[in-house]
Amino acid sequence: QSVLTQPPSVSAAPGQKVTISCSGNNSNIGINYVSWYQQLPGAAPKLLIFENNKRPSGIPDRFSGSKSGTSATLGITGLQTGDEADYYCGTWDSSLSAGVFGTGTKVTVL
Amino acid sequence: EVQLVESGGGLVQPGRSLRLSCTASGFTFDDYAVYWVRQAPGKGLEWVSGISWNSDSIGYADSVKGRFTISRDNAKNSLYLQMNSLRAEDTALYYCAKDTYDYVWGSFSYGMDVWGQGTTVSV
Repeated sequence: QSVLTQPPSVSAAPGQKVTISCSGNNSNIGINYVSWYQQLPGAAPKLLIFENNKRPSGIPDRFSGSKSGTSATLGITGLQTGDEADYYCGTWDSSLSAGVFGTGTKVTVL
Repeated sequence: EVQLVESGGGLVQPGRSLRLSCTASGFTFDDYAVYWVRQAPGKGLEWVSGISWNSDSIGYADSVKGRFTISRDNAKNSLYLQMNSLRAEDTALYYCAKDTYDYVWGSFSYGMDVWGQGTTVSV
């Protein structure tokens, strides 16, 4: 089972904002970097955010990341139909000495 | 173009073995940690295993520890996953991915910036 907990789904109308939470503990999010991935239907995951809040080149600034304590948040503003996808958080777990992913969140644009 | 291409997947009976390969191109493979991540049908991502740039550090998910072995051949720009004692629950699409920054591992990992298209394993 996943060590990191995310809400199963979030939704909003086009142009609105959604936030996705990722809850962990002091062995993972609390002390390590968090990354976020977007997985469009039928596609491989794509890195959206790395090192908690940095965007790779080509990722629009509508996507943002933050971390506080043992939780992290992905924000998507100006929601577009093309943002409909599954989103995952990921980090290292120092107790497990392994990487971990969140349970995943499906974003629906109403 | 930076690219990772997986191969070696297939249909295998429970208890048998399979070896996955991932060939890298477009970047200096031996500077980066690389990983295997899998996704069972209709399920989320699961981190399976990772290996540092010089093979000095290796990690496994508890679900595969003792059955899977990760390795790399930097001269061939290749990553491998030897999967033994396969179970039905190992059925998944297996992706390889690289770390965002060079010479980082574990707690210093920043995220996975390049992913392959995956290879399917059915047990």
